[in-house]
Amino acid sequence: GAGVSQTPSNKVTEKGKYVELRCDPISGHTALYWYRQSLGQGPEFLIYFQGTGAADDSGLPNDRFFAVRPEGSVSTLKIQRTERGDSAVYLCASSLQGGGRTEAFFGQGTRLTVV
Amino acid sequence: KQEVTQIPAALSVPEGENLVLNCSFTDSAIYNLQWFRQDPGKGLTSLLLIQSSQREQTSGRLNASLDKSSGRSTLYIAASQPGDSATYLCAANRDDKIIFGKGTRLHILP
Repeated sequence: GAGVSQTPSNKVTEKGKYVELRCDPISGHTALYWYRQSLGQGPEFLIYFQGTGAADDSGLPNDRFFAVRPEGSVSTLKIQRTERGDSAVYLCASSLQGGGRTEAFFGQGTRLTVV
Repeated sequence: KQEVTQIPAALSVPEGENLVLNCSFTDSAIYNLQWFRQDPGKGLTSLLLIQSSQREQTSGRLNASLDKSSGRSTLYIAASQPGDSATYLCAANRDDKIIFGKGTRLHILP
């Protein structure tokens, strides 16, 4: 597809379970970002990949959160032992270059609900 | 640490009016500033990107300006339409982070 694709679009899970959220960036984009958005707030930075490596993971709230991008394309955000406070929309973005120099394009997000 | 503020938080105007949304940022050392639109329950749609060397960008009825030295950007919407109703977010880009404001919720009254 032409845009950033995120799956699933909605995920409901029970407290304590493990979840994986997937992001397919625009082909050829080397930079990939994960954000989290709570109701009424702007997106909050989680992690940034340049190629396969996590260049900045300072936004991950704790060690229950982890993300990978093994081949420099698709990325997976993994959340262990989910808590109700993890409920939010998780947004993925990609851009042609890293370093904040080029336009970022966002996916439609995954709405995670922890019950 | 970069902080981005958007004023007003919400705005309701009659259809046809011209309007201005404001964005301020604390660290002027940015590479670019980007304006997004977000419809309820949806992702972000990029509207305009202003490079740090530019002062403004235009797309249709939208015009965004950037004053790096004062840490301000404005989004001007001409001849507003009900379809413009959405949340508008500005984001300051530097290095590996894109820092967002909380957005302005815009409602255009038919």
